[in-house]
Amino acid sequence: GDSVTQMEGPVTLSEEAFLTINCTYTATGYPSLFWYVQYPGEGLQLLLKATKADDKGSNKGFEATYRKETTSFHLEKGSVQVSDSAVYFCALSHTGTASKLTFGTGTRLQVTL
Amino acid sequence: KAGVTQTPRYLIKTRGQQVTLSCSPISGHRSVSWYQQTPGQGLQFLFEYFSETQRNKGNFPGRFSGRQFSNSRSEMNVSTLELGDSALYLCASSWDRQGGSTEAFFGQGTRLTVV
Repeated sequence: GDSVTQMEGPVTLSEEAFLTINCTYTATGYPSLFWYVQYPGEGLQLLLKATKADDKGSNKGFEATYRKETTSFHLEKGSVQVSDSAVYFCALSHTGTASKLTFGTGTRLQVTL
Repeated sequence: KAGVTQTPRYLIKTRGQQVTLSCSPISGHRSVSWYQQTPGQGLQFLFEYFSETQRNKGNFPGRFSGRQFSNSRSEMNVSTLELGDSALYLCASSWDRQGGSTEAFFGQGTRLTVV
């Protein structure tokens, strides 16, 4: 079955540091890949997505590239802010079943001044 | 455009009782999915409804059920509540475009506590 593996957290960074959160997946075919973010007490918000190999998703300074050869979708940001503190989830879905997401365990990011 | 609305936001129930949670999707979205989020198991897919039909189902016992109405609003029901059902229940809606994946938009969730 499908699975998503994320790096263990929490990740603690100083403001303006570079962020990488690793995500790898196991799935048949060519899934779509997503990063969602969850702020305390809130639901999930879509951060970015990529639907085919070599696609780069980007939003709010965050980027991730769909790497089929390494089955990875690592999240990066060049300079994090305190407001980026949240839990980040990597997820995948298959064409035609866009609503059935398989999530990773989530990575908590804490950014300090 | 209004987002996904879940009601109630918080709920406390006693073991053995049943509970019904409600989800109103974004206007025009016909697909509604439900997820359970717990510290131990993370985010797990419960089921998906599309045009009033259950289209996908996760690995949950039959105590968990759902339905979707003609206006795409959805409800999920949990019968004979157990302590382990305490969780954040998230609803997501999407416009399911034929032949292509689209993103799911999530509500804020219903926090269920079973005592």
